[in-house]
Amino acid sequence: DTAVSQTPKYLVTQMGNDKSIKCEQNLGHDTMYWYKQDSKKFLKIMFSYNNKELIINETVPNRFSPKSPDKAHLNLHINSLELGDSAVYFCASSLPQGPLHFGNGTRLTVT
Amino acid sequence: DQQVKQNSPSLSVQEGRISILNCDYTNSMFDYFLWYKKYPAEGPTFLISISSIKDKNEDGRFTVFLNKSAKHLSLHIVPSQPGDSAVYFCAAKYSGAGSYQLTFGKGTKLSVIP
Repeated sequence: DTAVSQTPKYLVTQMGNDKSIKCEQNLGHDTMYWYKQDSKKFLKIMFSYNNKELIINETVPNRFSPKSPDKAHLNLHINSLELGDSAVYFCASSLPQGPLHFGNGTRLTVT
Repeated sequence: DQQVKQNSPSLSVQEGRISILNCDYTNSMFDYFLWYKKYPAEGPTFLISISSIKDKNEDGRFTVFLNKSAKHLSLHIVPSQPGDSAVYFCAAKYSGAGSYQLTFGKGTKLSVIP
C-alpha cells in the first residue's frame, strides 16, 4: 500500500547509456518532484510537475528529461549517462503547500 | 551557499535521554520550517513543522523550537528511543512559496543507544 513508489531501487549502468526511473503516487496529489541526493548528502530539487505541467526546472543538464503521462506518474529519463550522475534519486509528491511525501529512492551507479 | 545548515553530522544519545538536533538558516525570507526523518534505504518522511508566527510546536515526543532572531531552530526528542535512530533533515522555505522551493540541510545522523 505504498504511497509513493519508484522503480528500480538500484540501477547500475555504464557511461553513455540511457536509462529511466519510474515513479507513481496514489495519494491523489497534484504535484510531483524529482530530487537528487549527491555524495555530499544534499537533497536538491531537479524538477516539479503540477498536474502534468512542468512548473520548475532547476539547472540540471538537458540529458535529464521528466515525463508525466498523468498526474499520478512522473518518470525520469536520463540520456548519455555520466559518472557524475551517480547519486540517489528521490521521487516525491505533495499538495501545493503541503509536506513532501518521498519514495524510497533509486540508487544510480554509473561505471 | 548553504542556506540551511546542520553543523553536526552525527549525534549519539542514550535511550531515555533527550536528543537535541540543531539547524541554522541564513535566508531571512524563510518563515516555514520542517523536519524530516530518514531511515536507511527509505525516503525522508515528514516529522513536524513550524511557522515563524510560533516559537514552539509540539507533537508527542517531538518538539521544534524556533528562534527567529538567531535564525536557529532545534528538534527535541524526549525520551529518545532506539527506533528514533535515523538521519534528520531540516528544511526551510518562504510560506508563500510552493513545496518545490524547500531548501534542505545535509542532515544529522542520530544514534540512540539502548
